[in-house]
Amino acid sequence: AQSVTQPDIHITVSEGASLELRCNYSYGATPYLFWYVQSPGQGLQLLLKYFSGDTLVQGIKGFEAEFKRSQSSFNLRKPSVHWSDAAEYFCAVGPTGGGNKLTFGTGTQLKVEL
Amino acid sequence: DAGVTQSPTHLIKTRGQQVTLRCSPKSGHDTVSWYQQALGQGPQFIFQYYEEEERQRGNFPDRFSGHQFPNYSSELNVNALLLGDSALYLCASTTGGRETQYFGPGTRLLVL
Repeated sequence: AQSVTQPDIHITVSEGASLELRCNYSYGATPYLFWYVQSPGQGLQLLLKYFSGDTLVQGIKGFEAEFKRSQSSFNLRKPSVHWSDAAEYFCAVGPTGGGNKLTFGTGTQLKVEL
Repeated sequence: DAGVTQSPTHLIKTRGQQVTLRCSPKSGHDTVSWYQQALGQGPQFIFQYYEEEERQRGNFPDRFSGHQFPNYSSELNVNALLLGDSALYLCASTTGGRETQYFGPGTRLLVL
């Protein structure tokens, strides 16, 4: 069964500092990988996705993520965090064989100190 | 272009009651999935509807059922509500089997 681990429940960074949120997955093949962001009281907004090809993917709001097959990881990064980035971030995997069932991690709550 | 919409935004029910949540997919989308997000957890897949049929189902009891209409909108029904059903219910839409899912704002259900 596929699973996603986000080892950091809470992360606090200063505005302007760099950010890396960790995501590890367990899956029999190369899955489809996603990062979503959720602001309080809101639904999920897609930041970026990896299906195939270049292992470094760019997303919205200045975020990027790197797929590392050898480490089963898909970490999210941002070089300079803004106060508006404070939110909860979810990593998710989807099956390459088709279908839309996403498996999510438990999320990382990001706090930005001014 | 309207995104995914859900109604109602909030709902309070008591144990044993039944509830119906509604979802309208993003324009051009024909596949709807439902997720349950308990407090402090990531969303969990309930089921997916395509062509008015349930195509995939997660590990949820039969108390959770759904429907998709010819205009691709969908309903999630939960019978015999339990306290543990309190959660944010998210609807997501897409086209085909490998495309990105777009999520609605959710319906927050509180069971007392």
